[in-house]
Amino acid sequence: EAQVTQNPRYLITVTGKKLTVTCSQNMNHEYMSWYRQDPGLGLRQIYYSMNVEVTDKGDVPEGYKVSRKEKRNFPLILESPSPNQTSLYFCASKDRGQPQHFGDGTRLSIL
Amino acid sequence: DQQVKQNSPSLSVQEGRISILNCDYTNSMFDYFLWYKKYPAEGPTFLISISSIKDKNEDGRFTVFLNKSAKHLSLHIVPSQPGDSAVYFCAVDTGNQFYFGTGTSLTVIP
Repeated sequence: EAQVTQNPRYLITVTGKKLTVTCSQNMNHEYMSWYRQDPGLGLRQIYYSMNVEVTDKGDVPEGYKVSRKEKRNFPLILESPSPNQTSLYFCASKDRGQPQHFGDGTRLSIL
Repeated sequence: DQQVKQNSPSLSVQEGRISILNCDYTNSMFDYFLWYKKYPAEGPTFLISISSIKDKNEDGRFTVFLNKSAKHLSLHIVPSQPGDSAVYFCAVDTGNQFYFGTGTSLTVIP
């Protein structure tokens, strides 16, 4: 089954404790992206990757890092999480000319 | 600044009637638009898209209209069904970056 898998689905952590949210897709898509969804703000793009070893900033990249060492994986790294990064995060992937497939989301709470 | 705006946070419609969801964008260079539907505890799923070379695209009960001069698009759902109750996001695909609206929560009343 074609899917985008995010882990964990839920996480409560504390300020400053580094965390990684993993994202994996099994569709051999070149393009992958991370978004955060906040009330009243919709989905905002954090980072995207057009292919392996190619990553670019989206609208709200501050406080986040990503890497794309292999095609299927695109982890989101919060080196020093802060409460304003409490949000619902979505990973997505797509083929050229096709719409994005989204994962089911990761709800992060940073205390 | 929001590049894509959905000014109605919510909409309620009777089953069987038409639902019309609206979206405005700021940049006249945008040329590919999509609508996504999102249920609670799930990721958004693609619904329908339209390229700027067209002004209408239909897929079953769903039709998207694009008015380039007004920088406006709308999604029509007819007839509306209770299973259509969800949050709908419009989005712009620039080829590498995506801009999403803030979403409209549609409730279809049986």
